[in-house]
Amino acid sequence: EPEVTQTPSHQVTQMGQEVILRCVPISNHLYFYWYRQILGQKVEFLVSFYNNEISEKSEIFDDQFSVERPDGSNFTLKIRSTKLEDSAMYFCASSVSGTTEAFFGQGTRLTVV
Amino acid sequence: GIQVEQSPPDLILQEGANSTLRCNFSDSVNNLQWFHQNPWGQLINLFYIPSGTKQNGRLSATTVATERYSLLYISSSQTTDSGVYFCAGDSGGGYNKLIFGAGTRLAVHP
Repeated sequence: EPEVTQTPSHQVTQMGQEVILRCVPISNHLYFYWYRQILGQKVEFLVSFYNNEISEKSEIFDDQFSVERPDGSNFTLKIRSTKLEDSAMYFCASSVSGTTEAFFGQGTRLTVV
Repeated sequence: GIQVEQSPPDLILQEGANSTLRCNFSDSVNNLQWFHQNPWGQLINLFYIPSGTKQNGRLSATTVATERYSLLYISSSQTTDSGVYFCAGDSGGGYNKLIFGAGTRLAVHP
């Protein structure tokens, strides 16, 4: 069964460093998303991406965040200068359209020290 | 944006018991999904159910869109059902911006 895959599963980084989280969405999906879950809290929407551009973003998704689809298969989230409060589980998701079921990857646990 | 409320926040069951989890939405939704977050943090899709009833093994879900709520039924619970159950809805706009509830934390004891 097709699935969304994320790498790495865990990442530890120093405060102020840049990190890139990677995702391979399901191959026939056209809509891509990033969500975040701070430990013990609810899952929060960060950004949606369609047709090679951001279609919607939350207030959390400020200038330190960026997304890119560098080729036909990968979808990345870059955090430019990490802060302690960026420590969270980051989930990538994809869907066929903007109103159909979204499928989530297994998550990347980011720890900023 | 929409508000999503889940109840109960915590639930403790003996193995074999049945349970019902509820999700209320402040506004109508186009997309409604139920997830199980396992102890490793993975979000497992359970149901995509903007309306109607679906069943998958011991789990079933019902969404009454006109009354803005959804129910997840777990029958004959097993210890592997433990974890957090989230519902999430998207109120429209066409970009699947899912708003998650705070979750129901389920512990099933042998």
